Amino acid sequence: AQSVAQPEDQVNVAEGNPLTVKCTYSVSGNPYLFWYVQYPNRGLQFLLKYITGDNLVKGSYGFEAEFNKSQTSFHLKKPSALVSDSALYFCAVRPLSSGSARQLTFGSGTQLTVLP
Amino acid sequence: DAMVIQNPRYQVTQFGKPVTLSCSQTLNHNVMYWYQQKSSQAPKLLFHYYDKDFNNEADTPDNFQSRRPNTSFCFLDIRSPGLGDAAMYLCATSNTYTGANVLTFGAGSRLTVL
Repeated sequence: AQSVAQPEDQVNVAEGNPLTVKCTYSVSGNPYLFWYVQYPNRGLQFLLKYITGDNLVKGSYGFEAEFNKSQTSFHLKKPSALVSDSALYFCAVRPLSSGSARQLTFGSGTQLTVLP
Repeated sequence: DAMVIQNPRYQVTQFGKPVTLSCSQTLNHNVMYWYQQKSSQAPKLLFHYYDKDFNNEADTPDNFQSRRPNTSFCFLDIRSPGLGDAAMYLCATSNTYTGANVLTFGAGSRLTVL
């Protein structure tokens, strides 16, 4: 069985400072990894994904994430946080080898608050 | 713009009164999903249609049903809503033929049960 852990329910950071939202995963074989963001009363929006290749993945709105196979982590980062980045962030994983449409597992979410 | 549209955005119903939520997509994606999300928790998959094939999660209550009359539309029917069914319901789509299976979500339908 696959799983995703987001160890922090809440992350607070000052505007202009770098931010990190942590994610670790467990999956059989190689993973597809995703980050989604959710603003209040909205659906989830895709930010970025890792499939293969370069361990540093760049996504929307200046976000990036680093895949670390040895630590089974996929932390989300941004060099300079904006107040508008305040939202709920979800990490998700599915096996690379999976042919099933349903085998995407979400983490419990991390609420990011960027303070002005 | 191609997108996933959910209606209504807000639905208020009475305990036991049936409700139907709708989802339409212009992406021509082959898979459509329904998720339930409570109180900023992780979305919980209820079921999905892989093309025309319906796939129900083992722990989805019988009270929840779905229909996909064509590629573009999918409906979530809650036959007898209880107070515990109050939640945000998220429709999502994906195209499994492109490999990564990135989900595109609608804005959600927030259900209140009185």
